Amino acid sequence: RKEVEQDPGPFNVPEGATVAFNCTYSNSASQSFFWYRQDCRKEPKLLMSVYSSGNEDGRFTAQLNRASQYISLLIRDSKLSDSATYLCVVNDRGSTLGRLYFGRGTQLTVWP
Amino acid sequence: DAGVIQSPRHEVTEMGQEVTLRCKPISGHNSLFWYRQTMMRGLELLIYFNNNVPIDDSGMPEDRFSAKMPNASFSTLKIQPSEPRDSAVYFCASSPRRDLYGYTFGSGTRLTVV
Repeated sequence: RKEVEQDPGPFNVPEGATVAFNCTYSNSASQSFFWYRQDCRKEPKLLMSVYSSGNEDGRFTAQLNRASQYISLLIRDSKLSDSATYLCVVNDRGSTLGRLYFGRGTQLTVWP
Repeated sequence: DAGVIQSPRHEVTEMGQEVTLRCKPISGHNSLFWYRQTMMRGLELLIYFNNNVPIDDSGMPEDRFSAKMPNASFSTLKIQPSEPRDSAVYFCASSPRRDLYGYTFGSGTRLTVV
């Protein structure tokens, strides 16, 4: 079983739509959670951390459910510039301290 | 800050040749990571260093791969001999801490072995 599993998509949505991505992780000992964004042929960049109580950054809302080992990202009022691949990232405290596991990513295309 | 700097940006080489990828982490970051990204496998951690010491190299695919960090501002990933299946984008990332904060990635080296 992979450490982090994501629906690869693609998700194709119109501008202004709300879209949600989900992710599950296998190691219950994981302590840190992130969403990264990767544009085509570019490096991954940190979008936001995910906190236990849930957190919001503008149009982006991240949620964590430790009991279900489930992370979500909600994007409201989608913009063309949101088109990218979104990577779910989890750290592994259970074995090698500090190792981050990346999901394969969910591809989003926002169309006009 | 210039960010994490990788070179070269692109590398095309023939099978059997030695390839050396270079990385300069962000000043003050004490952890450095080498990743490989392919369509089939996504992002895979190859090796990481903390305070210039290799901590976990379990992701290094085989003995043809080696990595060094001679000082806090420089690291290399070497493949010798290279094979076509090594074709991928290789990212270097650095972090001020090992696990609590997210990483900053370099722009990557796109390696093609023909």
